[in-house]
This record gives sequence, structure tokens and C-alpha cells, in this order.
Amino acid sequence: GENVEQHPSTLSVQEGDSAVIKCTYSDSASNYFPWYKQELGKRPQLIIDIRSNVGEKKDQRIAVTLNKTAKHFSLHITETQPEDSAVYFCAATGGGSYIPTFGRGTSLIVHP
Amino acid sequence: EPEVTQTPSHQVTQMGQEVILRCVPISNHLYFYWYRQILGQKVEFLVSFYNNEISEKSEIFDDQFSVERPDGSNFTLKIRSTKLEDSAMYFCASRPGTGSPQYFGPGTRLTVT
Repeated sequence: GENVEQHPSTLSVQEGDSAVIKCTYSDSASNYFPWYKQELGKRPQLIIDIRSNVGEKKDQRIAVTLNKTAKHFSLHITETQPEDSAVYFCAATGGGSYIPTFGRGTSLIVHP
Repeated sequence: EPEVTQTPSHQVTQMGQEVILRCVPISNHLYFYWYRQILGQKVEFLVSFYNNEISEKSEIFDDQFSVERPDGSNFTLKIRSTKLEDSAMYFCASRPGTGSPQYFGPGTRLTVT
């Protein structure tokens, strides 16, 4: 089955800095990669996703890149703000299953 | 904007008791899921449900677990005889079709004592 590795587990940045979270996946047939943000005690919320036929996608301060050859994808947050502080999960889906396999999460802390 | 809802928000039960966690998926969605998240850990898939039957389940989803869609709106997860290690946040999710993102409910925190 699919295996998703996510790094780092904790990321601490100053407000205004950029943050990058990286994930690798094992199943080359995976074709859909969502990113979720989970604030403390709340539900995971989709913030951006990318499909395997796209190399990069942007939505305001958030971008995701995908390298299919290397089987890794990354979340980039620019001009971070304290409200970006949360746990971010990557996931990979595809290869005959519609079930996302989640990474272990990255706790992002943005210091004002 | 429609959202997935779950009840109760917190359930405390004694070991060996049965619990039923309830979810109301978004109304035009066709695929339904249960996940659990042990405190501080990642989200783990339990089961998916489509067309009134289980389509996939994980190793966690053993004979103690069952799911039902008793009517057109509710989607339930039953744990027959709870264990201490069942203590976790349980999330329901739904999506309209394949290739579309999942939308999560707010979760039910299950505490087994």
C-alpha cells in the first residue's frame, strides 16, 4: 500500500517568513495530493490540492509543488501569519484506491 | 456553505460498552468515511462506504466496528465493545464523487474509561 512520509514534524518560523513542508510517497500510481490544515481541537480542513497532471498550484500565499519522478510534493506558505499556526497534513490518493494515506503531520508555529 | 456534522462532540463510556457515533454527511455527497485520530498522531482511515455498502476498510476496522446508513441522511459508526485503546477523535468525512476532496466533520472525542 501507499506510504507517505512528511517532514519536518515541527516547524517554527517568524511572522513574515516562508514555511515549506515536504512529503514523499511510495506508490507511483497515486494521482491526487490534498493538504489539510488542522487547528487545535478542530476538524482537518482542505487548504489546497494538486493532481498528478499538474506540477504547481497556487492560491494566494499558499502553493503546492509536485515532482512525480521523485515522488515528492511540498507545501509552501509565504508571508506567514500567526493564524497560520496549526498542524498541516499531506495525503496521497490513487492507484486504485480512493482512500487518502495521510502523513504524520507538521506542527507549524508562527511567532509574532 | 453546507458542512458535515457529527454528534455527540464528546462521548465518555466504560470499557466493554457499545457506542454509536453519528454523522450527517453533506446532502449531495455519495462517498462516506470514518477516520480516527489518536491524540497527537496522524489521521487514520477506518472505513469507506458507497452505494449502501462498505467499499474499503482498514486493519483497524475489525469485527468490533460496524457502519450503517439507516436513512437518507445519517451515517453511523458503532463500536460493539469498547476498549481503552479506542479512545480517540473520530472524524466522519464525505465527498461528492471520486477525484474530489473530502470534507471532514468536527469530530467526536471518544473517551473510554
